[in-house]
Amino acid sequence: GDSVTQMEGPVTLSEEAFLTINCTYTATGYPSLFWYVQYPGEGLQLLLKATKADDKGSNKGFEATYRKETTSFHLEKGSVQVSDSAVYFCALSRIGNQFYFGTGTSLTVIP
Amino acid sequence: DAGVIQSPRHEVTEMGQEVTLRCKPISGHDYLFWYRQTMMRGLELLIYFNNNVPIDDSGMPEDRFSAKMPNASFSTLKIQPSEPRDSAVYFCASSPGGTGIGYGYTFGSGTRLTVV
Repeated sequence: GDSVTQMEGPVTLSEEAFLTINCTYTATGYPSLFWYVQYPGEGLQLLLKATKADDKGSNKGFEATYRKETTSFHLEKGSVQVSDSAVYFCALSRIGNQFYFGTGTSLTVIP
Repeated sequence: DAGVIQSPRHEVTEMGQEVTLRCKPISGHDYLFWYRQTMMRGLELLIYFNNNVPIDDSGMPEDRFSAKMPNASFSTLKIQPSEPRDSAVYFCASSPGGTGIGYGYTFGSGTRLTVV
């Protein structure tokens, strides 16, 4: 069945460090891929998405590229800020199906 | 647009009591989803609706849980009787179209339920 696997957390980085959160997926067909972010006490917010192979989603300095050959959608940011501290969820969906979320990766950025 | 609106934000109730959580989706969104989030189990899909009709309720944990969507602008999730293990954050989300065509979900802020 469809599933998403993302790297275990928590992740702690210093401000301005480079961030990578790995995400791989298993799905038949051609899923759409998403990254969601959850700030403390809030619901999940769509951060970025990609709907076909080789697409790059980007938002707020975050990027992720849909790699069909490696079934991956890793999240990256070149220079993190304290305000990026949150939990990040990778997700996939296919036509007619609901979303499949990863378990979430907690990121803490220290000044 | 006000987004997906959930109420209440926090609910504390005693074991055995009935609890009703409410959700107002974004106008024009055809899909509505109820999720539960706990530290142990992460995000779990409980049920989802398309055009007010329940499509998949296989995630509803047991008969104590029920969900309705009487019209396009309102849904409820009811737990009767509530138990301490139901303590979690319950999220409602809506989507404008088929979930596989890249629309993404819009989530509400959640209801934090504590059953004592």
